[in-house]
Amino acid sequence: AQKVTQAQTEISVVEKEDVTLDCVYETRDTTYYLFWYKQPPSGELVFLIRRNSFDEQNEISGRYSWNFQKSTSSFNFTITASQVVDSAVYFCALSEASRDDKIIFGKGTRLHILP
Amino acid sequence: DAGITQSPRYKITETGRQVTLMCHQTWSHSYMFWYRQDLGHGLRLIYYSAAADITDKGEVPDGYVVSRSKTENFPLTLESATRSQTSVYFCASRKGRTDTQYFGPGTRLTVL
Repeated sequence: AQKVTQAQTEISVVEKEDVTLDCVYETRDTTYYLFWYKQPPSGELVFLIRRNSFDEQNEISGRYSWNFQKSTSSFNFTITASQVVDSAVYFCALSEASRDDKIIFGKGTRLHILP
Repeated sequence: DAGITQSPRYKITETGRQVTLMCHQTWSHSYMFWYRQDLGHGLRLIYYSAAADITDKGEVPDGYVVSRSKTENFPLTLESATRSQTSVYFCASRKGRTDTQYFGPGTRLTVL
């Protein structure tokens, strides 16, 4: 069964600290896709990254980095030198190639960056 | 490049009234989706469409109707609004079956 678990409901860190958001997934498919979305206080859902199951290379985009490990079924997201603008709810999501209906979202992690 | 838009952005209605939420995308994406977001429930899929004239139910379709006569539009109708349908509604689209899904800005609906 598809499942995405974001165990951290809420995290608070002081500005400039590094923070890692955890995501653990379950799937029976061998081909699947993982996503991170950001939902800032304004409410929109912003796409951040997409990885497919055959590409375990870590990715870095500015202060953001993602660590994909199939061995532990995890797709963690790290923000380096956090800023107040990073305050948001972050969602991890999973879609399976065998299904075209939906992507499964985790419950989200609410991140507070304190000035 | 407008992308994906939703209208209205805010709506207040009364129990029993019919309400239609509009979703329009300019990318010619095949797939379109309607989600609702509620505290404690996260994002839940209401309906989706794989192409024009093809729609299918998601997790929580009861009380909602959709249609897709044109690729770019995917309206969601609440035939007789109930208070439990108070929520934030997101429309989303993606090009193909395994592509990235992009979301509209959302519609905040309040049913009194």
